[in-house]
Amino acid sequence: ETGVTQSPTHLIKTRGQQVTLRCSSQSGHNTVSWYQQALGQGPQFIFQYYREEENGRGNFPPRFSGLQFPNYSSELNVNALELDDSALYLCASNKNQETQYFGPGTRLLVL
Amino acid sequence: AQSVTQLGSHVSVSEGALVLLRCNYSSSVPPYLFWYVQYPNQGLQLLLKYTSAATLVKGINGFEAEFKKSETSFHLTKPSAHMSDAAEYFCAVVFSGGYNKLIFGAGTRLAVHP
Repeated sequence: ETGVTQSPTHLIKTRGQQVTLRCSSQSGHNTVSWYQQALGQGPQFIFQYYREEENGRGNFPPRFSGLQFPNYSSELNVNALELDDSALYLCASNKNQETQYFGPGTRLLVL
Repeated sequence: AQSVTQLGSHVSVSEGALVLLRCNYSSSVPPYLFWYVQYPNQGLQLLLKYTSAATLVKGINGFEAEFKKSETSFHLTKPSAHMSDAAEYFCAVVFSGGYNKLIFGAGTRLAVHP
């Protein structure tokens, strides 16, 4: 059974650019959630996708957007990058309301 | 507001000593509770979870946690610390009435000394 995978592992961007992060959910999972973990803090919920529909959203601006595909993989897109967007971005997958399992994360640095 | 509080951002113990990491939540309805561990430059690994069954929950690597409704707590313990337990530990909660959104505490960094 393949776990949750994320790509890329590391990324460097400059202010104002756009970025796309990718996540492949664990086999059999239909829900994907994205979290932002700033340095020294706990993860913060960005949004969740269930069966290709946004199922809930945290306190993040609209420039954070996402997609879920028919195979339940997902993308996180961030437009107009700001310095404070530098963080570890974690993807988690689960089946329906069951336990979330996390990927290794993508570390984004905005210069 | 629904929240999770982890007391102590840093905890240091000697190898072989008891590990106690504290977690309290604010909610009148018992939520689902989780402990995750994060090793340096890695994602989060599930240690254990409470989902309204037994109040004492056993997890991986010898960790366990006890849900105490009267104290709104879910503290994590391990009888004997090992050097490999050094990591960041996060308590997380899913509150009822919504989708499966995890709310995390700020984390506790555990250091284990020889």
